[in-house]
Amino acid sequence: DAGVTQSPTHLIKTRGQHVTLRCSPISGHKSVSWYQQVLGQGPQFIFQYYEKEERGRGNFPDRFSARQFPNYSSELNVNALLLGDSALYLCASSLVFGYNEQFFGPGTRLTVL
Amino acid sequence: AQSVSQHNHHVILSEAASLELGCNYSYGGTVNLFWYVQYPGQHLQLLLKYFSGDPLVKGIKGFEAEFIKSKFSFNLRKPSVQWSDTAEYFCAVSRMDSSYKLIFGSGTRLLVRP
Repeated sequence: DAGVTQSPTHLIKTRGQHVTLRCSPISGHKSVSWYQQVLGQGPQFIFQYYEKEERGRGNFPDRFSARQFPNYSSELNVNALLLGDSALYLCASSLVFGYNEQFFGPGTRLTVL
Repeated sequence: AQSVSQHNHHVILSEAASLELGCNYSYGGTVNLFWYVQYPGQHLQLLLKYFSGDPLVKGIKGFEAEFIKSKFSFNLRKPSVQWSDTAEYFCAVSRMDSSYKLIFGSGTRLLVRP
């Protein structure tokens, strides 16, 4: 079975641009979470979605937004990119909301110049 | 604010040495506890988890962890490490309430010398 997949693998943007990251959960998983991992730190929670509804939001500015589609895949959008947004963005899926054994994808490495 | 502390940022061991990585969290309610591992070039993988029951949890590859509620700790142990255990280890906590997000520690980089 395929695990969590994310695209693209790497991305280079300049300050002020917009970026969209994509995630497909494990088949049968209905909840998707997004995390930001800055070099040298542990992942930080950004969003959690279940059945297309936002169920949790971390301490990130409104420039960060996300959505979940009927097929349970998800997008993370970041507007007006800053240098500090450079990080590894991780997607994790779990069976349902509240069942919090989460399975992580390989991440998207975003570099903002 | 809730937090997860991993006391050792870098650990260097020789093969066959015993390993213990510390993890403490600051939340008094019911929690689920996890250890994730990230091998070089690979993504985060679940090593073991504690939801309820026996506080001594066994995971993959000979790892185990003990939940001590009175100390808010969930330390990871392995009696004899191998070179292939070289990786970064993350402790994570999830609150059992309306928020099920994972709160991660800053990680411990383990280098095992052959």
